[in-house]
Amino acid sequence: DVKVTQSSRYLVKRTGEKVFLECVQDMDHENMFWYRQDPGLGLRLIYFSYDVKMKEKGDIPEGYSVSREKKERFSLILESASTNQTSMYLCASSSGSLGNQPQHFGDGTRLSIL
Amino acid sequence: LAKTTQPISMDSYEGQEVNITCSHNNIATNDYITWYQQFPSQGPRFIIQGYKTKVTNEVASLFIPADRKSSTLSLPRVSLSDTAVYYCLVAGPNQAGTALIFGKGTTLSVSS
Repeated sequence: DVKVTQSSRYLVKRTGEKVFLECVQDMDHENMFWYRQDPGLGLRLIYFSYDVKMKEKGDIPEGYSVSREKKERFSLILESASTNQTSMYLCASSSGSLGNQPQHFGDGTRLSIL
Repeated sequence: LAKTTQPISMDSYEGQEVNITCSHNNIATNDYITWYQQFPSQGPRFIIQGYKTKVTNEVASLFIPADRKSSTLSLPRVSLSDTAVYYCLVAGPNQAGTALIFGKGTTLSVSS
């Protein structure tokens, strides 16, 4: 079974802090994704990566950056956290060509910015 | 980009068949349609995927008409444990990069 592990289930940070969310997958998947999930808005893609050191912006990249130095690890960085970044963050991975392979999700990090 | 539209919520009773439709008028030739299920405090979980016509697995069926502008997830004989949010995803490569667009989800409530 594919396992996608997010480093924290709950995280509380302060406005202006630099925040790191970590995600690790154990199935040697090429593709990794970061989404945020808000009530009434569903899942929105922040960034994704299709290879080590490669990244591509999703629908809402503003205020975020990502890092993929190793194939199994994909980090989401909030450069200067703001209250409107309080949300549930979900990481996912998939193999092969984007779109025609299922994504495997972690259980999310609920981030609160005070 | 293929925008998707789903009903916000649906109600059903145990033992009934439930059909959830997703509209995606601008689906691209290479896009696939994938459905996910999400329970509270968990990440979404893959249910079924298709490109055209009908796909069936042990938990659901997916119906896609010839024009591919919509798709219907069919859950046979639902139980209380099928209460969840269901997401439709239309995804695939496009000329400008790659589009990964989830619908806003349909909350299915199953009662006894």
